[in-house]
Amino acid sequence: AQSVTQPDIHITVSEGASLELRCNYSYGATPYLFWYVQSPGQGLQLLLKYFSGDTLVQGIKGFEAEFKRSQSSFNLRKPSVHWSDAAEYFCAVGARAGNNRKLIWGLGTSLAVNP
Amino acid sequence: ETGVTQSPTHLIKTRGQQVTLRCSSQSGHNTVSWYQQALGQGPQFIFQYYREEENGRGNFPPRFSGLQFPNYSSELNVNALELDDSALYLCASSLDSRNTDTQYFGPGTRLTVL
Repeated sequence: AQSVTQPDIHITVSEGASLELRCNYSYGATPYLFWYVQSPGQGLQLLLKYFSGDTLVQGIKGFEAEFKRSQSSFNLRKPSVHWSDAAEYFCAVGARAGNNRKLIWGLGTSLAVNP
Repeated sequence: ETGVTQSPTHLIKTRGQQVTLRCSSQSGHNTVSWYQQALGQGPQFIFQYYREEENGRGNFPPRFSGLQFPNYSSELNVNALELDDSALYLCASSLDSRNTDTQYFGPGTRLTVL
């Protein structure tokens, strides 16, 4: 079955520290992978996506993610966290059934940033 | 370029009532997907519309229905509301229905069922 697992429900880091949010997926075909961020009361904003090619993907706001097929992972990283990065982060895989495409989501990781 | 917009922002209904949520897709996008996000959960796929036709459906009962109009805006209708329908409803538009298309999300409609 297709699924996305984000093992960390909540993470707290200090401002300026590095960050890694974990994402593991289960999908039979070539995965299309996404990271979105959701601020309180807001919709979802795309941070970055992986379709093919270079397994290290650069996104907005200084985020990057690395696709590792052998580990079925797509972890999100940022070298130095800012207080404004506090939000909910969702990993998703684009699944396909015929012509239909939908996103399958993890439960999210809530990030808190200490000053 | 106008982004995805949704209306209303918030809505309160009582059990058994019916509700209609609206979504305007981003300019040039012909595909709209709807998601339900319960508190503390990830979004769950409800259905997708591509060029006015339903193009796939998640595990939601028939009382969840939708429409897409010629201008590619969309409606989500929910009949016989239940308490568990309380959630944030998100609309996302994409350039096309292909696997590689990025979905752009609106701010959502917060539905509370009492």
